[in-house]
Amino acid sequence: SSELTQDPAVSVALGQTVRITCQGDSLRSYYASWYQQKPGQAPVLVIYGKNNRPSGIPDRFSGSSSGNTASLTITGAQAEDEADYYCNSRDSSGNHLGVFGGGTKLTVL
Amino acid sequence: EVQLVQSGAEVKKPGESLKISCKGSGYSFTSYWIGWVRQMPGKGLEWMGIIYPGDSDTRYSPSFQGQVTISADKSISTAYLQWSSLKASDTAMYYCARQVSPALNAFDIWGQGTMVTVSS
Repeated sequence: SSELTQDPAVSVALGQTVRITCQGDSLRSYYASWYQQKPGQAPVLVIYGKNNRPSGIPDRFSGSSSGNTASLTITGAQAEDEADYYCNSRDSSGNHLGVFGGGTKLTVL
Repeated sequence: EVQLVQSGAEVKKPGESLKISCKGSGYSFTSYWIGWVRQMPGKGLEWMGIIYPGDSDTRYSPSFQGQVTISADKSISTAYLQWSSLKASDTAMYYCARQVSPALNAFDIWGQGTMVTVSS
């Protein structure tokens, strides 16, 4: 399957830890990358590879993977973390194609 | 500064053709794959296809194969996304993005997006 499945919505209390998950068969073979998108803005890469953060991304963002599930963890969520989060990975075709998850709307309470 | 700058918003009628652009600067344009991503109003991100400007090797997601054409002109560091006959369902925001590497399939630099509206 080339699909990635995410929970549509997740909420977290300010300052608490939240995990956003992404499931798919291709994740057994390929890393996921994670993007944050706020309303009216382009997506921003927050995690890629095993657990890499681009320059400027706070270290409260981290990534992990087990079996067919990749996770994005925000430790000590801030109000500015409220956004849509998308996972992305290779599909299973081996043809250098990719696929995005459906997205998770994160609400910080 | 590494950046991708996309062409401006477009309003077209069904059946018309369109070509939007994505100009890279601040890095070796021919050394990184460039992908295109669709976002329909109020919806999620969709992976459309990808091109390597160095040799114009292009791959399409099955959902977009035959529906759009991706191309690049390395002499001016610009990638393109084009339609020969637009449909109302093509109304969306379109992003170009630079891929970190094929193995990682992560897009580290994104354009600002081009809004395409197709309406009679």
